[in-house]
Amino acid sequence: EIVLTQSPDFQSVTPKEKVTITCRASQSIGSNLHWYQQKPDQSPKLLIKYASQSISGVPSRFSGSRSGTDFTLTINSLEAEDAATYYCHQSSSLPWTFGQGTKVEIK
Amino acid sequence: EVKLLESGGGLVPPGGSLRLTCAASGFMFSNYGLSWVRQAPGKGLEWVSTFAGHGGSAHYADSVRGRFTISRDNSKNTLYLQMDNLRAEDTAIYFCAKERAAADPYFDYWGQGTLVTVSS
Repeated sequence: EIVLTQSPDFQSVTPKEKVTITCRASQSIGSNLHWYQQKPDQSPKLLIKYASQSISGVPSRFSGSRSGTDFTLTINSLEAEDAATYYCHQSSSLPWTFGQGTKVEIK
Repeated sequence: EVKLLESGGGLVPPGGSLRLTCAASGFMFSNYGLSWVRQAPGKGLEWVSTFAGHGGSAHYADSVRGRFTISRDNSKNTLYLQMDNLRAEDTAIYFCAKERAAADPYFDYWGQGTLVTVSS
């Protein structure tokens, strides 16, 4: 099973700041890594597919990148509506797995 | 518009059974893989099971294999999860999620979830 480890677990950020969340895979998964946003009492929403590909309707301040088995979700100029928990997910091999989540709080 | 509507959750004692249903609309149901993903209270997301589209097969997480059975009725655009021999650790919100495509197994749409509570 591929383990995804996110860091940090929690981040408290001021509006307009830049947020960086990292997801490290326990083995090579190519670019088969996707990011989701989950706001309180809501279902997850797809933000980024295949490490860096944008999703229609998602604000351009969200971007993703990959370096080997390390993946990064960046939120440029954080807005109050971005308060949520963010999860990475690998679809390289079954069982599909998720990172443990990173909660982003607005100061 | 794609819609996924889960139902069937509730309170069940340990060792009991429950069947979850996910009613889908807005896409060619038979062509797409569908999954169940759960979230224990205050915890992260855990993939439970997938039933591939185009007559494909079912897959399970080790934590539920042998106790849960996923199935689908393409004539009714409905996905099911039969859960037997339930344990306290199965308590969670269960989401139905649609895969983008067989070659793109990320989740592009999610339902709102149904809560399963296993307790005596």
